[in-house]
Amino acid sequence: QSALTQPRSVSGSPGQSVTISCTGTSSDVGGYNYVSWYQQHPGKAPKLMIYDVSKRPSGVPDRFSGSKSGNTASLTISGLQAEDEADYYCCSYAGSYTPVVFGGGTKLTVL
Amino acid sequence: QLQLQESGPGLVKPSETLSLTCTVSGGSISSSSYYWGWIRQPPGKGLEWIGSIYYSGSTYYNPSLKSRVTISVDTSKNQFSLKLSSVTAADTAVYYCARLRDMTTGDYWGQGTLVTVSS
Repeated sequence: QSALTQPRSVSGSPGQSVTISCTGTSSDVGGYNYVSWYQQHPGKAPKLMIYDVSKRPSGVPDRFSGSKSGNTASLTISGLQAEDEADYYCCSYAGSYTPVVFGGGTKLTVL
Repeated sequence: QLQLQESGPGLVKPSETLSLTCTVSGGSISSSSYYWGWIRQPPGKGLEWIGSIYYSGSTYYNPSLKSRVTISVDTSKNQFSLKLSSVTAADTAVYYCARLRDMTTGDYWGQGTLVTVSS
């Protein structure tokens, strides 16, 4: 069982928006502004899409955005494209004892 | 452009020690303020953080693996390494190395290497 809870799957049609949630506790997501999101295509390494809750690395389309409310972080993808179909993982800092925790991953299907 | 490449045996026997090396090119592993980490992914499952080492040498481990894990850096070779002892079939996974801006922000990743634990 993962430390952070994500929906197993979400789906959307091209052009639509989808939001993936990542629920933790006040000891991880709620306690720090260190939440990252990764995209992973089959057989590939994870790719950083969002860091520090809402910052986008250079080269990541602005269709990807991140936010946080309380103990839940969210990744929103607007204007869905076929190439967005992938697994998405959230990751949070969780303090000095268990510094890094991942969510279980969400499979995004573009219909 | 920074590149990371994992290397090591693809097959390890149960109870033995898994040893992997990550070679960094295109930049110095001694660069200040970066962590260097190992993350694994069992077949068909999610990501699991194994541990990280700061450029200063400080190490941080997943408590569930801490008793079996050692991460070290060899600045002369621009490499960092993972050792996981007393492996079982549950340690079968793709192992990734990554550069981390902070503990959770992996901006450069290796391609991953599959390690199978089997006799």
